[in-house]
Amino acid sequence: DTGVSQNPRHKITKRGQNVTFRCDPISEHNRLYWYRQTLGQGPEFLTYFQNEAQLEKSRLLSDRFSAERPKGSFSTLEIQRTEQGDSAMYLCASSLSTGEETQYFGPGTRLLVL
Amino acid sequence: LAKTTQPISMDSYEGQEVNITCSHNNIATNDYITWYQQFPSQGPRFIIQGYKTKVTNEVASLFIPADRKSSTLSLPRVSLSDTAVYYCLVGEDNFNKFYFGSGTKLNVKP
Repeated sequence: DTGVSQNPRHKITKRGQNVTFRCDPISEHNRLYWYRQTLGQGPEFLTYFQNEAQLEKSRLLSDRFSAERPKGSFSTLEIQRTEQGDSAMYLCASSLSTGEETQYFGPGTRLLVL
Repeated sequence: LAKTTQPISMDSYEGQEVNITCSHNNIATNDYITWYQQFPSQGPRFIIQGYKTKVTNEVASLFIPADRKSSTLSLPRVSLSDTAVYYCLVGEDNFNKFYFGSGTKLNVKP
């Protein structure tokens, strides 16, 4: 257990529905990252927060995706109008901004879109 | 973009030392090299991180040559529980994001 928690761990939804995932980082960590991982591939960066500010978004993050981190604590990732191609593991990581940054990952949320 | 290249897979036997080499020809001056381990259906787990020369912790060693264009993760005396995917990453843009690549799938046999 790294101290990063994600909920839910599994989500099954029908195409077109909206889903929201939550990530609780390690409490003193000011940086929070979202990644997406499909079977057989490494995690792909989606977006990154420093405190409450969303500083970078990947072009993988389409308009249907939105992420927030109110008050610089937990974060949510929402997918609107889900598509079958959104089926993946969604990983959250947090870190403390120092010279040697180490990201600690949560267990992930596995999404299946039917 | 400091991408990395690793072997797709490796086989080993219990008790052997395993060395996984990663190429990162475009590593930037401020980039650190980090290795993660991932088991199926779990998030990646930090193993070791370094900038140059050699770093050792309780689970692994990391060897980085002077030109920093490659690095080698060394796992001493592997066991069956070390069967996993190992990712080599280099930080970029002040560590805003990591590029994972496809990793190396290590299969440890009895």
